[in-house]
Amino acid sequence: AQKVTQAQTEISVVEKEDVTLDCVYETRDTTYYLFWYKQPPSGELVFLIRRNSFDEQNEISGRYSWNFQKSTSSFNFTITASQVVDSAVYFCALRHNTASKLTFGTGTRLQVTL
Amino acid sequence: DSGVTQTPKHLITATGQRVTLRCSPRSGDLSVYWYQQSLDQGLQFLIQYYNGEERAKGNILERFSAQQFPDLHSELNLSSLELGDSALYFCASSVGQGNFDQPQHFGDGTRLSIL
Repeated sequence: AQKVTQAQTEISVVEKEDVTLDCVYETRDTTYYLFWYKQPPSGELVFLIRRNSFDEQNEISGRYSWNFQKSTSSFNFTITASQVVDSAVYFCALRHNTASKLTFGTGTRLQVTL
Repeated sequence: DSGVTQTPKHLITATGQRVTLRCSPRSGDLSVYWYQQSLDQGLQFLIQYYNGEERAKGNILERFSAQQFPDLHSELNLSSLELGDSALYFCASSVGQGNFDQPQHFGDGTRLSIL
């Protein structure tokens, strides 16, 4: 069975603060894929990043960075110098090598205020 | 803009009715996925079609059905609607069936409200 846990239900920060969103996953497969999606207040789901299980390199894209650690089954997402436009619900998701579906976590709602 | 088009954006109907949700995948994508997002169940996979054929089934009720047409657009049919079917229904598409490392790109969703 596969499972994704996002223990932080809601996080509130003030603009310019750094914030890390946690994601812990469970799987028995050796090959799998991890994803982060953003759901802004308008409701759409926006793809942010994909990571393969055999590639533990961290990734940085502008103010966004992702830390993948197989040893702790975690794929955490950090926003540096947060902005109001970052306010959204962020979902972590897992996909097996032989499966079609994405298994989503329950999401973390990030509120960034001025 | 993900390139995935879903219509309608909003749908309001009554219990017992039947509705059809439509999805056009991104150009070049052969796989279409349907997901349901509700407050109590979160984001749940319903069904996947690849090039017109059903490929995978998730937590889809028997009252729900889907199909993918030769032009690759897909429709999700929901019948005998109940209050609990109120949710945001997403369609997603990806390049192929075997490219599991490729992301699924989601449409804006159809918000279904059952009165």
